Amino acid sequence: AQSVSQHNHHVILSEAASLELGCNYSYGGTVNLFWYVQYPGQHLQLLLKYFSGDPLVKGIKGFEAEFIKSKFSFNLRKPSVQWSDTAEYFCAGALYNFNKFYFGSGTKLNVKP
Amino acid sequence: DAGVTQSPTHLIKTRGQQVTLRCSPKSGHDTVSWYQQALGQGPQFIFQYYEEEERQRGNFPDRFSGHQFPNYSSELNVNALLLGDSALYLCASSLDRGLSSGELFFGEGSRLTVL
Repeated sequence: AQSVSQHNHHVILSEAASLELGCNYSYGGTVNLFWYVQYPGQHLQLLLKYFSGDPLVKGIKGFEAEFIKSKFSFNLRKPSVQWSDTAEYFCAGALYNFNKFYFGSGTKLNVKP
Repeated sequence: DAGVTQSPTHLIKTRGQQVTLRCSPKSGHDTVSWYQQALGQGPQFIFQYYEEEERQRGNFPDRFSGHQFPNYSSELNVNALLLGDSALYLCASSLDRGLSSGELFFGEGSRLTVL
């Protein structure tokens, strides 16, 4: 069965610290992977996506993620977080036809100024 | 350019009642998907509508039904409400079932509380 899991439910960092949020997926075939972010009081929005090609993908606001097929992982990274990165982050996967997305349970990131 | 809009934003129902939630997709989008997000969980796929037909369905009972109109807007109906149906219901739109870009655009959701 397809699934996406996120390891960290709540992360607290100080500004300028580095961030890495874990995401693992379980799929039987070609997978497309996404990170979505939900800022306080706002709707879910796309941070970055991976379909194929270069396994290191860059998104908005300095975020990047690396697809490691051998580890079934798609971890999100940012070298230096800002207070404005405080949000909930969701990893998601979809099969080739994008008709159904599987979301992880989310990671709440709290960045202290 | 209007994004995805949902109504109502909040509502309270009692067990056994029925509810209808509405969604207008982002301008230019023709596909609507519905997700249920329980507290502390990620969104779970309910179903997808394209060309006024249900194209894909998640693991939800028949009490959950939907409709898509010719203008691409959509409704989610839940009958015989249970306490466990309390959640945030998210509508997401895309173009061409998502095949064009793979990206979902979400509304802010309708928060349903069942007492």
